[in-house]
Amino acid sequence: AQSVAQPEDQVNVAEGNPLTVKCTYSVSGNPYLFWYVQYPNRGLQFLLKYITGDNLVKGSYGFEAEFNKSQTSFHLKKPSALVSDSALYFCAVRDINDYKLSFGAGTTVTVRA
Amino acid sequence: NAGVTQTPKFQVLKTGQSMTLQCAQDMNHEYMSWYRQDPGMGLRLIHYSVGAGITDQGEVPNGYNVSRSTTEDFPLRLLSAAPSQTSVYFCASSLSPQRGRFNTGELFFGEGSRLTVL
Repeated sequence: AQSVAQPEDQVNVAEGNPLTVKCTYSVSGNPYLFWYVQYPNRGLQFLLKYITGDNLVKGSYGFEAEFNKSQTSFHLKKPSALVSDSALYFCAVRDINDYKLSFGAGTTVTVRA
Repeated sequence: NAGVTQTPKFQVLKTGQSMTLQCAQDMNHEYMSWYRQDPGMGLRLIHYSVGAGITDQGEVPNGYNVSRSTTEDFPLRLLSAAPSQTSVYFCASSLSPQRGRFNTGELFFGEGSRLTVL
């Protein structure tokens, strides 16, 4: 079985400060890891993914994420947050030999001006 | 450039009524799936399909049926709606992971269907 944990329901930061959203995962084989963002009343949009290779992956809108195999973590980061980054963020994992994508419960990010 | 299209966007049902949520994609994706989103629980997989004529259960399949007669369409049926099925439903599709090592199965989502069961 595979699972994802996002330990923080909410993250609040001031605009211009660094933003980190935490994610840990569990999967029996090798993982594919994803971050998605959801704006109010919209579907989920893909941000970035880790497949293999460099542990630091870069994605859309200035976001990046660091894969740490020993800690089974895939934290999302942005060096300087914007008010427009306020949204609901989901981490997801899939075993490379499976179809099914499992999601965390989500973290609401609020960036104050 | 439609992507994944879900209808209806909003629906109110009475307990015991039946309905079908429609999902269509125009990207020739083999894999299609239905999730429900509930506050504090993230997205939970209801059913999925790896190709026409093939469906399987996800985490929370009870009360829902699916079929996959074509590559493009993957409807979700509620046979006898219950208040516990009040939720936001998302359809998502991707290329099959069996397409090769460089296909990562990234999901493309529809805009969602908000269902209320009274």
